[in-house]
Amino acid sequence: GAVVSQHPSWVICKSGTSVKIECRSLDFQATTMFWYRQFPKQSLMLMATSNEGSKATYEQGVEKDKFLINHASLTLSTLTVTSAHPEDSSFYICSARGTSGRSNEQFFGPGTRLTVL
Amino acid sequence: AQKVTQAQTEISVVEKEDVTLDCVYETRDTTYYLFWYKQPPSGELVFLIRRNSFDEQNEISGRYSWNFQKSTSSFNFTITASQVVDSAVYFCALSEGLNTGNQFYFGTGTSLTVIP
Repeated sequence: GAVVSQHPSWVICKSGTSVKIECRSLDFQATTMFWYRQFPKQSLMLMATSNEGSKATYEQGVEKDKFLINHASLTLSTLTVTSAHPEDSSFYICSARGTSGRSNEQFFGPGTRLTVL
Repeated sequence: AQKVTQAQTEISVVEKEDVTLDCVYETRDTTYYLFWYKQPPSGELVFLIRRNSFDEQNEISGRYSWNFQKSTSSFNFTITASQVVDSAVYFCALSEGLNTGNQFYFGTGTSLTVIP
């Protein structure tokens, strides 16, 4: 089956620093990637949708200048949390939608646990 | 409005009991997909099932079964003879439109604890 990876799987950083999370589709090309955020004991909430080669579309209430998303290739999307603060501590999950042949499927990455001290 | 409702926040059962997790959804689309995922403590989502809106047949996979009823907009999940390894958070999700590559709307999840 299709595999989506995320790196790192967990990260601890100091308040004020920036953190980059990578989402890769390992065996297929992903025209669209989604970024979700999950706070403890809560559901997954969509943050943004990124399409390869174009700007990401952010959900209401998500600061685009704080959560920078880059989808520069068909196999890689990155989420950068800029000037992270403790309230940004969360579990970040990406998912990838395939191109033709896999356009009807979406696959989730294993998630990245961010802790901001 | 919440598109997917999982009214049961937490459920505890004793091992070998059967348990049903409820999921009610809301959509105006005639074509949509419904999903169930298992999220163990590691956090990784484990895909359990996908159902499209045109297929109301119930499905059984081992100890798992799903009951899809469009008339009540429900897609319930039953675990038969529960085991400790079934302890996890279970999410029901909806994807609207012609393919599953569209945005997912997740329910709030049901935390299942199976007591040995």
